[in-house]
Amino acid sequence: AQSVTQLGSHVSVSEGALVLLRCNYSSSVPPYLFWYVQYPNQGLQLLLKYTTGATLVKGINGFEAEFKKSETSFHLTKPSAHMSDAAEYFCAVSEEYGNKLVFGAGTILRVKS
Amino acid sequence: DGGITQSPKYLFRKEGQNVTLSCEQNLNHDAMYWYRQDPGQGLRLIYYSQIVNDFQKGDIAEGYSVSREKKESFPLTVTSAQKNPTAFYLCASSSRTSGGDTQYFGPGTRLTVL
Repeated sequence: AQSVTQLGSHVSVSEGALVLLRCNYSSSVPPYLFWYVQYPNQGLQLLLKYTTGATLVKGINGFEAEFKKSETSFHLTKPSAHMSDAAEYFCAVSEEYGNKLVFGAGTILRVKS
Repeated sequence: DGGITQSPKYLFRKEGQNVTLSCEQNLNHDAMYWYRQDPGQGLRLIYYSQIVNDFQKGDIAEGYSVSREKKESFPLTVTSAQKNPTAFYLCASSSRTSGGDTQYFGPGTRLTVL
């Protein structure tokens, strides 16, 4: 069965600092990987996804993630944090059939001024 | 504007009552999904539907029921058999059911049992 582990339920960074949110997955087949962002009491918005091809994926709002098969990781980064980045971030994985998403527990990002 | 709507935004239920959460999409998507979100647990799949008049159980289907009579609509009923229904419920849709297809989410319904 697939599973997703997000290291750190809470991450705090200063405005302008590097953002690094960690995601590791387990899957018996090549996975499809997603990062979503959620602001309080709202739905989820797709930041970026990896399906095939280039392993470095660029998304919205300056975020990017790199698929590393050997490390089974898909960490999310942003070079410089902005106050508006404060939210909860979810990593998710799906397989070929059914497109069902399995989510990690989420990481709440706090940005300090 | 195309999108997914969920209603109501907040819902209060007395113990022993069934309640129905609405989910409508005008994206012409084939697939629709219901997830439950609890603090610190991420999202868990309740039910999903790949086509009209067909649906499958997800990981936590007990105490829930769904229907898919129209392509645009995928209502979720939380029955009295669901022991701990207080949660945030999110509906999603995708154009296809092949892996890697993006799921788009609605704004959610927060259900509280009194």
